[in-house]
Amino acid sequence: DQQVKQNSPSLSVQEGRISILNCDYTNSMFDYFLWYKKYPAEGPTFLISISSIKDKNEDGRFTVFLNKSAKHLSLHIVPSQPGDSAVYFCAATPEVVGSQGNLIFGKGTKLSVKP
Amino acid sequence: GAVVSQHPSRVICKSGTSVKIECRSLDFQATTMFWYRQFPKQSLMLMATSNEGSKATYEQGVEKDKFLINHASLTLSTLTVTSAHPEDSSFYICSAQRSGGATDTQYFGPGTRLTVL
Repeated sequence: DQQVKQNSPSLSVQEGRISILNCDYTNSMFDYFLWYKKYPAEGPTFLISISSIKDKNEDGRFTVFLNKSAKHLSLHIVPSQPGDSAVYFCAATPEVVGSQGNLIFGKGTKLSVKP
Repeated sequence: GAVVSQHPSRVICKSGTSVKIECRSLDFQATTMFWYRQFPKQSLMLMATSNEGSKATYEQGVEKDKFLINHASLTLSTLTVTSAHPEDSSFYICSAQRSGGATDTQYFGPGTRLTVL
């Protein structure tokens, strides 16, 4: 039973437009949520995170929104660039805020940004 | 930045042999390292948590006798796949947890592609 779900395996967006990647979770004990970006044959790279006490965190072109009541989070990338093309993993942890031990990952969404 | 390396990046071996994968944190000390496995089109699955100087903690369903983990120093953890079989073929990724500051951040290695013939 998947505790972190990314229901869209792929997403295609035009350069300059907004990319919205979605993630749902089932475990109400999750306290900290992270997004990772992964290129082929490389390890995931940390992108942005949000704790359960917030509903929004912004870092440059990347914004993560958290809706705790819906157990849903989303990553917005605007404007999207071709270099953003990668697989994006949503991850969650039941650890206390600030600790990233025992991450539980979704299956990932492959984002393709077309020039 | 924090860099984590893995060696080898790719290995092909015969069924029944053992394979050792190294994970090193190059510019920071990591008291905790994690080992993940990723099958094609699947999510990263945590296999075990490795703490320096103590026994690794394995996730349910992961055979500790098959996947031997040694965290001998604050910068090195090794995963040995013993008596490898074709079903062990996968992408193995380690991460090292950097402590301090507002958050403890996991930095991932580039991964090791294991193919067992």
